[in-house]
This record gives sequence, structure tokens and C-alpha cells, in this order.
Amino acid sequence: AQSVTQLGSHVSVSEGALVLLRCNYSSSVPPYLFWYVQYPNQGLQLLLKYTTGATLVKGINGFEAEFKKSETSFHLTKPSAHMSDAAEYFCAVMNYGGSQGNLIFGKGTKLSVKP
Amino acid sequence: EPEVTQTPSHQVTQMGQEVILRCVPISNHLYFYWYRQILGQKVEFLVSFYNNEISEKSEIFDDQFSVERPDGSNFTLKIRSTKLEDSAMYFCASSPDTHQETQYFGPGTRLLVL
Repeated sequence: AQSVTQLGSHVSVSEGALVLLRCNYSSSVPPYLFWYVQYPNQGLQLLLKYTTGATLVKGINGFEAEFKKSETSFHLTKPSAHMSDAAEYFCAVMNYGGSQGNLIFGKGTKLSVKP
Repeated sequence: EPEVTQTPSHQVTQMGQEVILRCVPISNHLYFYWYRQILGQKVEFLVSFYNNEISEKSEIFDDQFSVERPDGSNFTLKIRSTKLEDSAMYFCASSPDTHQETQYFGPGTRLLVL
């Protein structure tokens, strides 16, 4: 069965600093992996996804993530944090237990950005 | 850009009452989903729907829950007799035929059961 673990429920960085949000997954099949962002009082917005091919995937707002099979990781990074990046970030893996896949989410990491 | 919409944004109800949460998926999408997020917890899958049938449902989706696509645009989640523990944010999502794995989420309906 698939699962996702996000290390750190809260991460705080200074504006301009590197953002690193950690995600490890467990999957019995080649995984499809996702990062979603949730701004306060809003829904989940897709940041980026990995399905097949290039292991470094680029998303919106300058974020990128690298799929590392050997480490079962899919960490999210951004070179320089902006105040507008403050939000909650969710890592997810596709579960193909049935005929139509559904997402299994991690617990989320709340990112704070200090001026 | 097309987006998933949900109504109402907030719903307060008494325990035992029926609620219907409404969603309008993106117009050319064929796959539909409901998820929920209890305050402070993970987003959890409830049910998926395709071709007017439930494709898969989680253990959470018991007989108190039902889904329906009453017309060509709406997708609804009904909770027949709400319980206190049904209080949560409910998200609808949809995905296209060509990229079924990519799910687009609505803004959610916050349900409070008193």
C-alpha cells in the first residue's frame, strides 16, 4: 500500500533563503508523486507532479522537486523564499488500489516566511 | 482558467440532519472525487466517480454518504444523517481523461455539525 511521510509539520525560513520541504513515500509500484499548496482559506493547488521521465520536475512559482527512487524521496525546494510562499504544502502519492486512482496525502508542512 | 467550484463555502447543521454539498467540476473532465480534511488532520479520500458510477470508496464512505451527478455539470455529496465527527472541510476534485492522474481541487466546503 502507498503512504507518504512529511518530515516537519512547521518550517520557518527567512525571505530569500532556501526552502526545503521533505517528503518520503512508500509504494509497491512505480509512484506518481505530487505536491499541492494550500493558501489560507483556499483549496489545494497543484504545484508539480512526477509521473515518469525526468526525475527533476519544475512547477509553478519557482518550486521544483526531485524524485529519488533510492531514497524513496520527493523533496520540494525553492532557491529563494518569498513572503507569498507562506502556506501549507502537501505531498501526495497516487494510489491505484482500484480502477480509478486516488491521492494519499501526507500530513502537510506549514511554511512560514520571515521578513 | 477553468476551475472547480463548490457551494456552499460554509455550512452549519444540526446533528442528524441531511446535508448536500455541491460541486461543479471542470467542464471537460470525466473523473470526479470527494476528499475531506478534518481540522488538523490529513486530507483523506472519500470516493471517486466515473461514468455515472462509483469507482472506488474508502472506509469512511459508509451508508450515510452518497454521491450523484444529477445533470451534466453538478456533482454532489450527500450525508444523510450528520454526526459530530463529520465536521470537516470537504473538497471536490476532477481530472481529465488525458491526464487522469492530475486532480484539480475546488476551494472546499467547511461543514460544521453541532
